[in-house]
Amino acid sequence: RKEVEQDPGPFNVPEGATVAFNCTYSNSASQSFFWYRQDCRKEPKLLMSVYSSGNEDGRFTAQLNRASQYISLLIRDSKLSDSATYLCVVNIGYGNKLVFGAGTILRVKS
Amino acid sequence: DAMVIQNPRYQVTQFGKPVTLSCSQTLNHNVMYWYQQKSSQAPKLLFHYYDKDFNNEADTPDNFQSRRPNTSFCFLDIRSPGLGDAAMYLCATSGGQGKDEQFFGPGTRLTVL
Repeated sequence: RKEVEQDPGPFNVPEGATVAFNCTYSNSASQSFFWYRQDCRKEPKLLMSVYSSGNEDGRFTAQLNRASQYISLLIRDSKLSDSATYLCVVNIGYGNKLVFGAGTILRVKS
Repeated sequence: DAMVIQNPRYQVTQFGKPVTLSCSQTLNHNVMYWYQQKSSQAPKLLFHYYDKDFNNEADTPDNFQSRRPNTSFCFLDIRSPGLGDAAMYLCATSGGQGKDEQFFGPGTRLTVL
């Protein structure tokens, strides 16, 4: 089993749609969770950290379910500029290392 | 602005010819990482430094070496690049001490001829 698993997509959605991505992780000792966004041929950029209580940043909402070991990202009112690969990232439970999922591709179309 | 800088942005080398990629940071972060990313794949951690302590990943080939002469700079040396080493190389930093968020430089795209 991979340490972090994501549906690779692509998710093709129209502008204005709501889209949700899920991610599962295998290490129950993981303490830190993140969503990164990566545009084509660019570096990953931190989109948001994910907290136990869930957190929201504008159109983006992240949730963490420790019991089931999954993380979700909800994007409301999708924009063309949201088209990117979304990487689910989890720390491995010790040390300073993060494990990256392979990413979910989102394509927002007009 | 505090940032992570990588040079060069694009590097072309010949098969077997050593190459060095550089990374610098103005964030004053304790931890620096080198990742290799190939098309449509997740970034793969090669190694990282916590201050001066070097941490190699078990599956990182010996062909890849790193140096961190001071807090701000870290280098990736590829001693004998093969065609399979063509990839984007990403440098990242984090604050350590429980601050896990990593901040990436723009990457160096390596082509091996």
